[in-house]
Amino acid sequence: QLQLQQSGPGLVKPSQTLSLTCAISGDSVSSNRATWGWVRQSPSRGLEWLGRTYYKSKWYFDYALSLKSRITINPDTSKNQFSLQLKSVTPEDTAMYYCARTASGAGNFDYWGQGTLVTVSS
Amino acid sequence: DIVMTQSPDSLAVSLGERATINCKSSQSVFYSSNNNNYLAWYQHKPGQPPKALIYWASTRESGVPDRFSGSGSGADFTLTISSLQAEDVAVYYCQQYYDTPFTFGQGTKLEIK
Repeated sequence: QLQLQQSGPGLVKPSQTLSLTCAISGDSVSSNRATWGWVRQSPSRGLEWLGRTYYKSKWYFDYALSLKSRITINPDTSKNQFSLQLKSVTPEDTAMYYCARTASGAGNFDYWGQGTLVTVSS
Repeated sequence: DIVMTQSPDSLAVSLGERATINCKSSQSVFYSSNNNNYLAWYQHKPGQPPKALIYWASTRESGVPDRFSGSGSGADFTLTISSLQAEDVAVYYCQQYYDTPFTFGQGTKLEIK
């Protein structure tokens, strides 16, 4: 049974970097049959796709254009996990953050992490 | 970006009755080369992550009860719950995965009448 376990701080100060990790069990981050991404939810923005990474002979990365200058998603094959880093956060980045898997050849999220509520506040 | 618009925003249905939620995309999400609509539906309950219900517009995820069905093609889609159960109270979202950025509808809150 595939599981995604999120970890990371729930409180980040403005202008700092939000960092979350998603540990995978039951699949591999370097599987060529899946992609690994992040979605967030806030009252003002609803559900918002942030980006993804996947491996098909090499690593690929797609990011939401609105975040492209601030976001990085990194796979870690040694720990079978992937991470989200969002730089220069503001209170607008306060949201519930989810990691999720999509099956290869599609983009529907079939497995989700448990969610991490991240508040940006001093 | 492809804009996804759901209707209604909220819906109250009696137990055992049919619930219908609509989703419209700002452009077609049908890919003719593989005859698939790149459209998914999710159920979201408080304190839980979203749960995948439907993909390719009409294919149920494993374990999803058959009272849930998806239909539609191109830019107009429908999620139908044939006989509402108490555990179906949730917010439902559609999502297109035709192109990045993947985008979601604003959600439809389903309650018991």
